[in-house]
Amino acid sequence: SQQGEEDPQALSIQEGENATMNCSYKTSINNLQWYRQNSGRGLVHLILIRSNEREKHSGRLRVTLDTSKKSSSLLITASRAADTASYFCAISNSGYALNFGKGTSLLVTP
Amino acid sequence: DTEVTQTPKHLVMGMTNKKSLKCEQHMGHRAMYWYKQKAKKPPELMFVYSYEKLSINESVPSRFSPECPNSSLLNLHLHALQPEDSALYLCASSQDSGGKSYNEQFFGPGTRLTVL
Repeated sequence: SQQGEEDPQALSIQEGENATMNCSYKTSINNLQWYRQNSGRGLVHLILIRSNEREKHSGRLRVTLDTSKKSSSLLITASRAADTASYFCAISNSGYALNFGKGTSLLVTP
Repeated sequence: DTEVTQTPKHLVMGMTNKKSLKCEQHMGHRAMYWYKQKAKKPPELMFVYSYEKLSINESVPSRFSPECPNSSLLNLHLHALQPEDSALYLCASSQDSGGKSYNEQFFGPGTRLTVL
């Protein structure tokens, strides 16, 4: 199974700033998904981008996918303190299993 | 209803105890999952059920025994666990396209398990 690799591992910004986190992977994918996890809680699905898509938006979230570089990025615009969480990319390519990356820990300070 | 519920929220057990974790969803999803997550690590897949049949077992020790009694319920039976099994156990569900699911997964809040 392959994992995505996120960077940075940790990111600290102030409210109102944009946050960008990146995910790289090694083999072909069906889709790539981004999830958010608040401390010690369940994961919340944010966006799913298919291998034939290049960009998707959802509210303040923008995800890009570059299959030639095997990379994806998640941009959160106008960050809020409530965006403080861990963000995981997850690779879907084998039918059921989601292979999660190690995550980016985002801290948004007021 | 887009919620996955898990009970209990917290569980402390000794190494000789037998306990069960429960998960329920009413979204009509036919794929259900158990994940294990250690602190500051990503979730690791343990089991996948598709249409109430075990589809994937990621080489999980037999002290973890999953069960899917119907399309809405998923249990994880625990017996003779080790302290290193202490973790957050997450249940998830997704739509199942007849043997595969590339869809988003809906996660429950998890059970925080401590093995003494």
